[in-house]
This record gives sequence, C-alpha cells and structure tokens, in this order.
Amino acid sequence: GESVGLHLPTLSVQEGDNSIINCAYSNSASDYFIWYKQESGKGPQFIIDIRSNMDKRQGQRVTVLLNKTVKHLSLQIAATQPGDSAVYFCAETAGGYNKLIFGAGTRLAVHP
Amino acid sequence: ETGVTQTPRHLVMGMTNKKSLKCEQHLGHNAMYWYKQSAKKPLELMFVYSLEERVENNSVPSRFSPECPNSSHLFLHLHTLQPEDSALYLCASSQDYGGVREQYFGPGTRLTVT
Repeated sequence: GESVGLHLPTLSVQEGDNSIINCAYSNSASDYFIWYKQESGKGPQFIIDIRSNMDKRQGQRVTVLLNKTVKHLSLQIAATQPGDSAVYFCAETAGGYNKLIFGAGTRLAVHP
Repeated sequence: ETGVTQTPRHLVMGMTNKKSLKCEQHLGHNAMYWYKQSAKKPLELMFVYSLEERVENNSVPSRFSPECPNSSHLFLHLHTLQPEDSALYLCASSQDYGGVREQYFGPGTRLTVT
C-alpha cells in the first residue's frame, strides 16, 4: 500500500524520540487539513484533522500545527514507537466538500 | 479493520481484458470514492459518489467506468487498460460528501496490467 517508486523523503528517528513531519500545502483557500498514516499493505488510516480556524490540535501522542501564513502543516508524534513506522500523508480541501488533495508523503522509519 | 473491504486484493490483467474491482462499506456512509495510488504520483482522486450519484469525475479516461448500485457498494469496471494503469486502487467512504468528514479507506486492489 506504499507509494513505492516515488522518491519519498524519509525521516529516521530513534524509538522514544519525538518525530516532526512537515507538509507544505498548495491552496491558500484550503480550510480543512488531515493527516493519514499508511502502513505496508494497507490503505491510509486517519490520524488527526484540523480546520483553518485553529492553529493547533492535539490527539493521543500526536499534535498537528497549522501555519496559514506560510501554508505549512506539521504532525508531531511524541515518544515514537516502532509501530509508527509508515508513510504519512497530509491532505487538504476547500469549499466544504470532501474532495481531498493529497501530498506526496513522508516515510517515517523508527529504529530501536 | 476500517469497515471498507475491497476485492480482489491483487489482479493481473492483459490489455484486452475486462475486469471489475469491488468495494463494500459497512459503515452506513453516504459517499464513496475511488483513488489511484501509483508509483510515480501521490494519491489521486478518480471518482466520487454521493447518495449513489456521481458528483466528481477527475478527468479519468473512459477505460475506467465506475458504478454505484447502492450506497454500500462501489465498482470500478476496467477495459482496454494500459501498462501505466498499473497501480494500487483504493476505495474510501465518508459519512457525507458535503461537509468535511474523515474518509475511511479500504486496503486497496493492487492492479498489474501486462
């Protein structure tokens, strides 16, 4: 289920460290953003979302930050675990319809 | 399990074959989606159905033909495909299409066109 063949940026972290995955989005009119995780052989799985009227949202071990000024989105994972190894995608949408535009993805590799 | 199933999980077909991909969602959702995930591009939206009506067709070639017979089932009929159509085809569903909601993805069908 991975984007094999794409030259994905890779983030390598040690188990227990914090991870920060970045995403630059394209449409200044986008008003909803979402992060997905895709493990090998599986479809994308929802992690966390944020609307444009917020700049930070926290979940369990994850935090999403939104900077609309520079059109930047980040996903922070606290105390990264081997099970967090996957490809992470950000996606954006505008206009109130669920038409998501996905980024290329970042591969997270967690080392023991 | 996300509540979205896809069959088959793997498919190899020749360029002259006709085959169909099937998606079923057990979530009571009203919107269903087909995406293409290829080796060279990010996830691309192909089609969207809302309440069994097609509401989006993202300039997809006519050799891909979607069908949504009811709100729980979605098909992608394939004919006269090209090798560059080899990809992972993902189905997703969401509660509605209007109003942003999380999309739930199936595991995908890995398609190889020979």
